[in-house]
Amino acid sequence: DGGITQSPKYLFRKEGQNVTLSCEQNLNHDAMYWYRQDPGQGLRLIYYSQIVNDFQKGDIAEGYSVSREKKESFPLTVTSAQKNPTAFYLCASSIWGEGTGELFFGEGSRLTVL
Amino acid sequence: DQQVKQNSPSLSVQEGRISILNCDYTNSMFDYFLWYKKYPAEGPTFLISISSIKDKNEDGRFTVFLNKSAKHLSLHIVPSQPGDSAVYFCAASDRGSRLTFGEGTQLTVNP
Repeated sequence: DGGITQSPKYLFRKEGQNVTLSCEQNLNHDAMYWYRQDPGQGLRLIYYSQIVNDFQKGDIAEGYSVSREKKESFPLTVTSAQKNPTAFYLCASSIWGEGTGELFFGEGSRLTVL
Repeated sequence: DQQVKQNSPSLSVQEGRISILNCDYTNSMFDYFLWYKKYPAEGPTFLISISSIKDKNEDGRFTVFLNKSAKHLSLHIVPSQPGDSAVYFCAASDRGSRLTFGEGTQLTVNP
């Protein structure tokens, strides 16, 4: 079954701690993305990667870091520098540079900072 | 610079009637437009798309209209059903590159 798997679905963190959200895809897509959704707001792009070992900052990259060591995996670390980390985080993948640009999303991870 | 805008944060319609969700864009390089549907605590799912060379695309109860001269697109749902209640995102891409999303419109279909 092809798709995107995010884990954990729910995560609680104390202030000052770093946390890493996992994202794995088996769609053989080159591009992967991390978005953040806050209540009443749209989808804001944090980071994206078009190819292994390369990634670009999105619109709200401050306080986040990523890595892309494998095509299938694009983990997101929410660092203690992120001022408002409580949010719903979405990972997505796509074919890059052709077609409609359609994104395939995971089920999301909800991070709550206590 | 908000290149894709959905000016209505919410829309409420009666079951069986038409729902019309609107979206405006500013970047004339966009060549594909997509609509996504999102339920709470789930990832968005793709609904329907349209190429910039077309002005209409239909899929069952869903139709997307594109007016390039006005840089405006709309999603029509008819007849609307309670299960259509969700947040709808408009998105646009330029030659298959990263999607740019609007802010979303919360649709509520009342029984």
